[in-house]
Amino acid sequence: GAGVSQSPRYKVAKRGQDVALRCDPISGHVSLFWYQQALGQGPEFLTYFQNEAQLDKSGLPSDRFFAERPEGSVSTLKIQRTQQEDSAVYLCASSLASVSGTDTQYFGPGTRLTVL
Amino acid sequence: GENVEQHPSTLSVQEGDSAVIKCTYSDSASNYFPWYKQELGKRPQLIIDIRSNVGEKKDQRIAVTLNKTAKHFSLHITETQPEDSAVYFCAAGYSTLTFGKGTMLLVSP
Repeated sequence: GAGVSQSPRYKVAKRGQDVALRCDPISGHVSLFWYQQALGQGPEFLTYFQNEAQLDKSGLPSDRFFAERPEGSVSTLKIQRTQQEDSAVYLCASSLASVSGTDTQYFGPGTRLTVL
Repeated sequence: GENVEQHPSTLSVQEGDSAVIKCTYSDSASNYFPWYKQELGKRPQLIIDIRSNVGEKKDQRIAVTLNKTAKHFSLHITETQPEDSAVYFCAAGYSTLTFGKGTMLLVSP
């Protein structure tokens, strides 16, 4: 079946612009995660949804970052007033897990954001 | 929160040799330990995982061991092949995952 998809794959923004990154999880997956991956680093957790509920947003670096999943499927990560330090690959992952505890996370291809 | 340390940061081996990557974690509540392989410009792909009720798991040339007392886990790749060259990440967690900084494995023919 179809895996996790993300769009756009590449985004170039001028400093100060707002951007919106989309994630389509695997159909039926309850949990959805957003990560930020800087060059040469491991993915860093940003936020986590179980269905439409945002259960953990402790990794969001500032109040310029906002994520939503209004119908428990597609999710959008929005970054307002982008800064150069926001340049990174933003990865989305989904898993089947519906209870506490982890299940296999399947990653999307990522969106590479470059802020000029 | 959880803190995951991964070593080495780079590892070069000859084709056919074994490769071992080690990780430590800090949160005793973590119960899930996956390993991901990421090729340049690609998404992380799960290669093997282990849960805290198991000490060792093997899948063909890949094995993972877990020592909960010492809070460390390791990835073992035997009979390495050039196509094993990639960055490998360990992770640990309960409801969310914390990743290590990665190990770049280079397998020379």
